[in-house]
Amino acid sequence: AQKITQTQPGMFVQEKEAVTLDCTYDTSDQSYGLFWYKQPSSGEMIFLIYQGSYDEQNATEGRYSLNFQKARKSANLVISASQLGDSAMYFCAMRERGAQKLVFGQGTRLTINP
Amino acid sequence: EAGVAQSPRYKIIEKRQSVAFWCNPISGHATLYWYQQILGQGPKLLIQFQNNGVVDDSQLPKDRFSAERLKGVDSTLKIQPAKLEDSAVYLCASSQSTGVGELFFGEGSRLTVL
Repeated sequence: AQKITQTQPGMFVQEKEAVTLDCTYDTSDQSYGLFWYKQPSSGEMIFLIYQGSYDEQNATEGRYSLNFQKARKSANLVISASQLGDSAMYFCAMRERGAQKLVFGQGTRLTINP
Repeated sequence: EAGVAQSPRYKIIEKRQSVAFWCNPISGHATLYWYQQILGQGPKLLIQFQNNGVVDDSQLPKDRFSAERLKGVDSTLKIQPAKLEDSAVYLCASSQSTGVGELFFGEGSRLTVL
């Protein structure tokens, strides 16, 4: 069964607008972590933001924030004031309790238009 | 701090030939991962090491893939014999046990099997 689902294969946004990238997950664990990574065309995976399942507040890192809705099992990434350099693939990933590996979704390709 | 180093960056081989990829993790990171990323998909874990022991190799095609991390530092992933469907980017990552435990990725090794 797919543990991480990203339903948006591609997103196109105007520069300076905010964008939300969707991620839903499936787990029976109560303790887990959710990650977002950015993959530019160079190929390297860049860690953006983390949300723990017990964190009461939504995580924020600069222009990145995570809209965490535990009951709906969703962890959407919000990028505010998008920039041309934000154009990349974005992956949502989950680590379940007791595991160290990350399980990734299929990714969303974000394109920022000038 | 030096990042995760991988080589070679690119490799083109004929099917049934062999290939090896090398990875040097971030100093002090006990956990090392090899992921396979096929074009248009999210990374999929092949094998995970904790120091020089294997933690998870459930998705490693053991009839053709092998990996080792003999001294608990750098690692080698080998494919022999290669198939057309092995064409992918092979990503190495490492993590430490403290903090949120995010994975730090190398730039990847792109394999093309003809």
